[in-house]
Amino acid sequence: QQQVKQSPQSLIVQKGGISIINCAYENTAFDYFPWYQQFPGKGPALLIAIRPDVSEKKEGRFTISFNKSAKQFSLHIMDSQPGDSATYFCAARVTGTASKLTFGTGTRLQVTL
Amino acid sequence: DSGVTQTPKHLITATGQRVTLRCSPRSGDLSVYWYQQSLDQGLQFLIQYYNGEERAKGNILERFSAQQFPDLHSELNLSSLELGDSALYFCASSVAGRGNIQYFGAGTRLSVL
Repeated sequence: QQQVKQSPQSLIVQKGGISIINCAYENTAFDYFPWYQQFPGKGPALLIAIRPDVSEKKEGRFTISFNKSAKQFSLHIMDSQPGDSATYFCAARVTGTASKLTFGTGTRLQVTL
Repeated sequence: DSGVTQTPKHLITATGQRVTLRCSPRSGDLSVYWYQQSLDQGLQFLIQYYNGEERAKGNILERFSAQQFPDLHSELNLSSLELGDSALYFCASSVAGRGNIQYFGAGTRLSVL
């Protein structure tokens, strides 16, 4: 059972454009929603994270939008750059289960010149 | 560099064999997590250890086991290997009490032939 559904599977964006990746979850006990960035040959690295008590969090060109009622959250990358080309994973954590993260299936982003 | 070290980087073995994957967490991190990343299943949480004790368990097969040693390094043992066990295995670590921020190693790529 996929508890965190991520789309699209792949995304091609022109340099300077906005990249948008969406995730939806089912378990209302989730209380922490991070996004990870993974470059080829590397492990995932925490990019930005949000808790359900806020609707938006921005760090530089990266913004998470969170819709608690719809059980959806999304990552927006403004002014996308070729260096942003990577695989992005959304994730969620269930309250009371230590720090187990449930990941989405990933989105491969390619930013073209 | 995340500070989490995983060895070996690549491992090629045959069905039915047993292998051991090693993880050295960041200095001072007490929690270690193991994840499996495959093409069809994405990143799946396997198991978490905190200061030598098992803290949380995910979809880990009975053929797999892990432990965390007094020096905090961890090993993931995979036995009776099957073709379907071929995947990337990641280790992550976190500071006690801040399990939300997990730092991932570069992974071990296991190929079962």
